[in-house]
Amino acid sequence: GAGVSQTPSNKVTEKGKYVELRCDPISGHTALYWYRQSLGQGPEFLIYFQGTGAADDSGLPNDRFFAVRPEGSVSTLKIQRTERGDSAVYLCASSYGTSYEQYFGPGTRLTVT
Amino acid sequence: QKEVEQNSGPLSVPEGAIASLNCTYSDRVSQSFFWYRQYSGKSPELIMSIYSNGDKEDGRFTAQLNKASQYVSLLIRDSQPSDSATYLCAVTERGSRLTFGEGTQLTVNP
Repeated sequence: GAGVSQTPSNKVTEKGKYVELRCDPISGHTALYWYRQSLGQGPEFLIYFQGTGAADDSGLPNDRFFAVRPEGSVSTLKIQRTERGDSAVYLCASSYGTSYEQYFGPGTRLTVT
Repeated sequence: QKEVEQNSGPLSVPEGAIASLNCTYSDRVSQSFFWYRQYSGKSPELIMSIYSNGDKEDGRFTAQLNKASQYVSLLIRDSQPSDSATYLCAVTERGSRLTFGEGTQLTVNP
């Protein structure tokens, strides 16, 4: 079946602009996760949804970052007033019910100039 | 102290050899353990999961878990050049965030 999809694959934006990154999880997966990965590092947790609600948003670095999942499927990660330090690959993963195996999408490479 | 630590790498092995990748974790409540493979420019791909002490084998891959020592490893038998990638160790409590190590870069030389 189809895997996790993310759009766009690449996003270049200017410092101070607003960006939205989209994630479409594997069909039927109730849990959705956002991570970001900087070069040479492992992915770093941002936020986790179980259904429509954010079960754990403790990884969001500050209030410029926000994520939603209004219908329990597609999620959007929103970043306001982007900074150069936000440049990274943003990864989305999903898992099914009580299964703990998370499957990653291809990622969105965000570059803030 | 980092929550998940891996061999600093890079690790280089000849084709056909056994590659051994190691990982230690600090949080005793961790219950689930995963190995992901990440090719350059690609996203992490799940290759092994292990939940209980002992060994778990899947093809050329064997994961080993020792919760008392807070240690998990991945062995790759008959290493192939196509195994050249960064291997990420990840741990989690029940159904929540994954905490990753920094990864170990493996190169398999033909």
